[in-house]
Amino acid sequence: TQLLEQSPQFLSIQEGENLTVYCNSSSVFSSLQWYRQEPGEGPVLLVTVVTGGEVKKLKRLTFQFGDARKDSSLHITAAQTGDTGLYLCAGAGTPLVFGKGTRLSVIA
Amino acid sequence: NAGVTQTPKFRVLKTGQSMTLLCAQDMNHEYMYWYRQDPGMGLRLIHYSVGEGTTAKGEVPDGYNVSRLKKQNFLLGLESAAPSQTSVYFCASTQRRLKQETQYFGPGTRLLVL
Repeated sequence: TQLLEQSPQFLSIQEGENLTVYCNSSSVFSSLQWYRQEPGEGPVLLVTVVTGGEVKKLKRLTFQFGDARKDSSLHITAAQTGDTGLYLCAGAGTPLVFGKGTRLSVIA
Repeated sequence: NAGVTQTPKFRVLKTGQSMTLLCAQDMNHEYMYWYRQDPGMGLRLIHYSVGEGTTAKGEVPDGYNVSRLKKQNFLLGLESAAPSQTSVYFCASTQRRLKQETQYFGPGTRLLVL
């Protein structure tokens, strides 16, 4: 059974701070995705990483796929209140394998 | 193009009552999924379908049934609701492309079982 462990589970920071959240597995995934779920809504895809070592940037968000394709990280620079939400990583498969998420709260 | 829609948005049931949640997608996607999300938790897969007329069990299928009679619709049924089924239910659909499977989620159905 493939599992994805996300850490930390909860994170509360001040606006303007930087943060990194992690998604780890003992299994290799052909691709890994990050979704963001805002309060009261369904998750929305942020990015898909496919190649080991790949780095993708989405404005202030930087996503990295581990060289061995077993882990990924999401770094947010200068967090804003609009970044508040649940960040979920998902590994390729049918069905997708979702982690339990990191709940981020950015306080003004 | 509405994407993924869910009906109803909110429902209150009494223990033992039955109901059906409807998920509809207009993107011609092959795969559809039902998840539940409890407060402060991630997503748990209930059932899924890889095509019209097919269904498969997910992580937490007990107490639920599903049907995929039409490609665009995926129904989730609760035959005898229990308080433990109080949750937010999300439907998702996807069109697989190579290694990347983007799931498109509906807005959720909030269910309270008393």
